[in-house]
Amino acid sequence: QSALTQPASVSGSPGQSITISCTGTSSDVGGYNYVSWYQQHPGKAPKLMIYDVSNRPSGVSNRFSGSKSGNTASLTISGLQAEDEADYYCSSYTIGSTLGVFGGGTKLTVL
Amino acid sequence: QLQLQESGPGLVKPSETLSLTCTVSGGSISSSSYYWGWIRQPPGKGLEWIGSSYYSGSTYYNPSLKSRLTISVDTSKNQFSLKLSSVTAADTAVYYCARSHPVYSSGWYVGRVDYWGQGTLVTVSS
Repeated sequence: QSALTQPASVSGSPGQSITISCTGTSSDVGGYNYVSWYQQHPGKAPKLMIYDVSNRPSGVSNRFSGSKSGNTASLTISGLQAEDEADYYCSSYTIGSTLGVFGGGTKLTVL
Repeated sequence: QLQLQESGPGLVKPSETLSLTCTVSGGSISSSSYYWGWIRQPPGKGLEWIGSSYYSGSTYYNPSLKSRLTISVDTSKNQFSLKLSSVTAADTAVYYCARSHPVYSSGWYVGRVDYWGQGTLVTVSS
């Protein structure tokens, strides 16, 4: 299974909003509502930020939101803060693979 | 609070077997609601599922690793383990153990990972 496609990097200034895209196919992102997003700071384990396209786990800031349109899922971070600077990965169910598939990751830089 | 902790050698020689154990505390590995698995991340690269297991012993392996891989669960010790044989430098990575919420759609999917171990760097080198 091919990895989901994410931009290598995005950037924004404090207080702004940014969106990270995650593009797949009708066999994964487009066909099912099992997209998750993870935040990873350097040297740390990933942290679940969004699951099932748009659900936030308890304790995750409501500045983080998820959505999907067609074969592309998106993670939006509003009111950008310095602590949001991290790598972000999407993942999705994909037909024929119990393990699913990850995106290649996006490095978010807060200017 | 659930905690997962990886343990095992940080250095493995080429052609040998990489062995890691994940100890789960603060919860039971025998819960019917979760899968227990391994994810790795080569230095500077992205995440890759290695495989996952249900407490009963059902396993799901990355096809690219399947011929070298064994994942097992020991409910008496509340642990699960990874063995990857015939390792090469390409297996050098941070290895994470993880808990996920399986869902059934067109087939079983490991689902979201809500708990991760801290990760352990395994280097394959002579």
